[in-house]
Amino acid sequence: EVQLVESGGGLVQPGGSLRLSCLASGFTFSNAWMTWVRQAPGRGLEWVGRLKSNIDGGSTDYAASVKGRFIISRDDSKDTLFLQMDSLKTEDTAVYYCTTVRFLVEYWGQGTPVTVSS
Amino acid sequence: DIQMTQSPSSLSASVGDRVTITCRTSQGIRNDLGWYQQKPGKAPQRLIYAASSLQGGAPSRFSGSGSGTEFTLTISSLQPEDFATYYCQQYNTFPITFGPGTKVDFK
Repeated sequence: EVQLVESGGGLVQPGGSLRLSCLASGFTFSNAWMTWVRQAPGRGLEWVGRLKSNIDGGSTDYAASVKGRFIISRDDSKDTLFLQMDSLKTEDTAVYYCTTVRFLVEYWGQGTPVTVSS
Repeated sequence: DIQMTQSPSSLSASVGDRVTITCRTSQGIRNDLGWYQQKPGKAPQRLIYAASSLQGGAPSRFSGSGSGTEFTLTISSLQPEDFATYYCQQYNTFPITFGPGTKVDFK
């Protein structure tokens, strides 16, 4: 069974940093392209960025709103995806989800909440 | 960026109703579109990919159609568990973008 479990969310002050993790199981993580999506309270969905598998080059793409502040990375030995968030702004407050597609089925984690506030 | 619009933004319906939601994109995206269902407090679930392909596990009462710039999601016979918010998403061009959502609630 494919499972994605996010962690690392919490309260952080504006300008601060936070690193989110997404632990994957039930599939070959090293082959998977992984994505982060976020949802601000009461708002719609916003794509954050994507990381290809290392086999496919390991490149990343980001939304303009986070480019230069957020970095997506992976540790295939630990089946874990990361989202390093720096220079956080109040508008980064959201639930952050990791997602992946395996054999045409898309899977989402339960999300981890991030609150940026002083 | 490709802009997404959905109509209506909300609708009220009854169990058994046929429901149609429309998604339009600011430029052509072939059929690179997905539809998602989200219930309060839960992660979204993809129902449709490639505009008209039903994701494994999604009920067959959901169907999608369209290509280019106009797409529709149809629920053939609304069930109690279908009351939720629905989003379209284009993945033709980065950045990937979502529509603003359509909330389906009880009439």
